[in-house]
Amino acid sequence: GNSVTQMEGPVTLSEEAFLTINCTYTATGYPSLFWYVQYPGEGLQLLLKATKADDKGSNKGFEATYRKETTSFHLEKGSVQVSDSAVYFCALRGAGGGNKLTFGTGTQLKVEL
Amino acid sequence: EAQVTQNPRYLITVTGKKLTVTCSQNMNHEYMSWYRQDPGLGLRQIYYSMNVEVTDKGDVPEGYKVSRKEKRNFPLILESPSPNQTSLYFCASSILGLLQSTDTQYFGPGTRLTVL
Repeated sequence: GNSVTQMEGPVTLSEEAFLTINCTYTATGYPSLFWYVQYPGEGLQLLLKATKADDKGSNKGFEATYRKETTSFHLEKGSVQVSDSAVYFCALRGAGGGNKLTFGTGTQLKVEL
Repeated sequence: EAQVTQNPRYLITVTGKKLTVTCSQNMNHEYMSWYRQDPGLGLRQIYYSMNVEVTDKGDVPEGYKVSRKEKRNFPLILESPSPNQTSLYFCASSILGLLQSTDTQYFGPGTRLTVL
């Protein structure tokens, strides 16, 4: 079956530091890949997405590139802010269609001044 | 405003006392789903529905029921809650996806349930 593996958290960074959150997946074919963000006390919001190999999703300074050869979709941001503190979830949607999302365990990011 | 609403947001109950968590969306979405979020496990799908009167089990359906009598509503029912159902619950909705679609799933704000 499909699965998503994320790096363990929490990740603690200073403001303006570079962020990488690793995400790898197991799935047949070409799944769609997503990053969701959950701010404290809120539901999940879609951050960015990609549908095929070498696609780059981007939003709010975050980027992730769909790497088929390494089955990865790592999240990056060049300069984090305190307001980026949240839990980040990598997810995939299977290539066979349907709407089910398979999530990773989430990575908590804390950004300090 | 497009949104998914859940009620209640917080609930403390006792073992065996039936409860319902409501979910409603105003986007005319066909697909609705319930997830539970637990530390170290991420989100796991409980049940989903592809349209009115069409529901199916997700990965962790034991102890839960759902119904889809109207397109906008998808309540989650715990007939006899137990402490292992203490969790954070999210409802989500989207249009019914096609192959390779990246249609966004919209999530509700969550319901934190504690079963004593």
